[in-house]
Amino acid sequence: AQSVTQLGSHVSVSEGALVLLRCNYSSSVPPYLFWYVQYPNQGLQLLLKYTTGATLVKGINGFEAEFKKSETSFHLTKPSAHMSDAAEYFCAVSRSGNTPLVFGKGTRLSVIA
Amino acid sequence: SQTIHQWPATLVQPVGSPLSLECTVEGTSNPNLYWYRQAAGRGLQLLFYSVGIGQISSEVPQNLSASRPQDRQFILSSKKLLLSDSGFYLCAWSTDSLSYEQYFGPGTRLTVT
Repeated sequence: AQSVTQLGSHVSVSEGALVLLRCNYSSSVPPYLFWYVQYPNQGLQLLLKYTTGATLVKGINGFEAEFKKSETSFHLTKPSAHMSDAAEYFCAVSRSGNTPLVFGKGTRLSVIA
Repeated sequence: SQTIHQWPATLVQPVGSPLSLECTVEGTSNPNLYWYRQAAGRGLQLLFYSVGIGQISSEVPQNLSASRPQDRQFILSSKKLLLSDSGFYLCAWSTDSLSYEQYFGPGTRLTVT
């Protein structure tokens, strides 16, 4: 069965520092992979997605993620954190057959001035 | 462009009272529709999804139910609320396959007292 593991329920970085949020997945079929961001008391917003093709995917707000099949990973990065990046981030993976996405438990990102 | 609405935005209900949350999508036809719950300090829990009118799949057995009376309308209901039903309820939609990205509504904050 497909599953998603987000390492670290809470990550704290300084403003201007590299952001790295980790996501590992298990899948028996080539997956579609997604990152979402959620600001307090709001719905989730799609940051970026990988379906096929280029393994380095660029998204909104300066975020990018790289699909590494050999490591079954899809880590989210941003070169320089901004205060406005403070939010909850969710990784999601598709499942085999026509069934809904599986979401990770989320990582809360704090940005320190 | 597509838009998803949820109402009400916030709701305070006593234990044992009924519940009805509504979600509508505009700008697309025959969407897949989803209900999620976020309890405090926990991740996303998929409650129900629907691939068409009258077609409801339940992911977790509980005292909630869902209905899809129209193509772009999805309703979450309960006959008698429990304290444990408190949380942030999110509706989402997707097109074509259930493996594709989902787009989320703004959410409903439910507090059961």
